[in-house]
Amino acid sequence: QKEVEQNSGPLSVPEGAIASLNCTYSDRGSQSFFWYRQYSGKSPELIMSIYSNGDKEDGRFTAQLNKASQYVSLLIRDSQPSDSATYLCAVTSSFGNEKLTFGTGTRLTIIP
Amino acid sequence: DADVTQTPRNRITKTGKRIMLECSQTKGHDRMYWYRQDPGLGLRLIYYSFDVKDINKGEISDGYSVSRQAQAKFSLSLESAIPNQTALYFCATSVNSVYNEQFFGPGTRLTVL
Repeated sequence: QKEVEQNSGPLSVPEGAIASLNCTYSDRGSQSFFWYRQYSGKSPELIMSIYSNGDKEDGRFTAQLNKASQYVSLLIRDSQPSDSATYLCAVTSSFGNEKLTFGTGTRLTIIP
Repeated sequence: DADVTQTPRNRITKTGKRIMLECSQTKGHDRMYWYRQDPGLGLRLIYYSFDVKDINKGEISDGYSVSRQAQAKFSLSLESAIPNQTALYFCATSVNSVYNEQFFGPGTRLTVL
């Protein structure tokens, strides 16, 4: 079983709609959760961090965390073509926060 | 100027050659990391360092070595490159905190022929 699982996609969403990306993790003690955006051939860019259950909003992005169900999600409202990228979910270990485990990413395509 | 820089950005080398990838940061972060990224396998941790005297192996350290020359500099070496080390390599940094938000450099595309 992979430690951090994401649907690889591709996920296609019409421009202006809400894109919903999901991530599940196996380490029940994980404390920190991150979403990175990665354009093709570029480096991962941190877009959201979340540490407690519930929702965290930043502009068009909302991260949702449910530790009991061990999933974290990212919602992108009013999707734009520039949101087309691969989104990586990352979590820390319950053994210490010094390392991140990454999912393999979900490729998102926004259709104009 | 970029906060985290990597050199070279692209490198083509031959099997058996020694190669060094360099990472420098101006963010003042204590922690530095080296990852490789392969299609379908995601980002995998090679080595990480909390300060000049602290070096730790990640999940795929075999065939690699590192040097933390200063707080701001962390180098990755392939002593004898092999074709399956062809990948995209990223350096990352983070503050020494409970949250561990990591920030990535632009990457080095390495091809071993």
